[in-house]
Amino acid sequence: DVKVTQSSRYLVKRTGEKVFLECVQDMDHENMFWYRQDPGLGLRLIYFSYDVKMKEKGDIPEGYSVSREKKERFSLILESASTNQTSMYLCASSLYGIGGSPLHFGNGTRLTVT
Amino acid sequence: SQQGEEDPQALSIQEGENATMNCSYKTSINNLQWYRQNSGRGLVHLILIRSNEREKHSGRLRVTLDTSKKSSSLLITASRAADTASYFCATAGTGANSKLTFGKGITLSVRP
Repeated sequence: DVKVTQSSRYLVKRTGEKVFLECVQDMDHENMFWYRQDPGLGLRLIYFSYDVKMKEKGDIPEGYSVSREKKERFSLILESASTNQTSMYLCASSLYGIGGSPLHFGNGTRLTVT
Repeated sequence: SQQGEEDPQALSIQEGENATMNCSYKTSINNLQWYRQNSGRGLVHLILIRSNEREKHSGRLRVTLDTSKKSSSLLITASRAADTASYFCATAGTGANSKLTFGKGITLSVRP
């Protein structure tokens, strides 16, 4: 089974801090994704990557950046955390491109920005 | 937007009953997927049904797709307390740059 591991289950950060959320997958998937999940809004795509060093903006990229230096690792960076970035962040990977095959999700990181 | 919209928003049933959840969408799709999310955890993929398929089964799960009505349903038969979770449909568009778009989810409670 594919395993997607997010480094932290819970994080509390202060406004203005630079925050790194790490995600690792073990199935050699080309495609990796970052979503955020908020009550009443469902899942929204922040960024995705279809290859090492490649990235594409999703629906809500503002305030975020990403890094993919190795195939198995996809990092989400909050350059200067703000309270409206308090959310559940979900990383996922897939064998094929967007929508082409099922997404395998990590357990999520619940980030609180105070 | 082709975002899937699930119906109902919440469903409460007795263990052993069947649960039916519906999803509607607005534009043409390549496939539609159903996911489950237990409280505080990540999503788990359940079934992917392609636009040229009408029905798929996986254990106690049955998914139908009606592209003429732009709708899908997820049926869980003989529900168990462990089926208590949120269920999401996600639609994959047909364009080259289409994304997988999730609905807001259905909260299913199965009473023991």
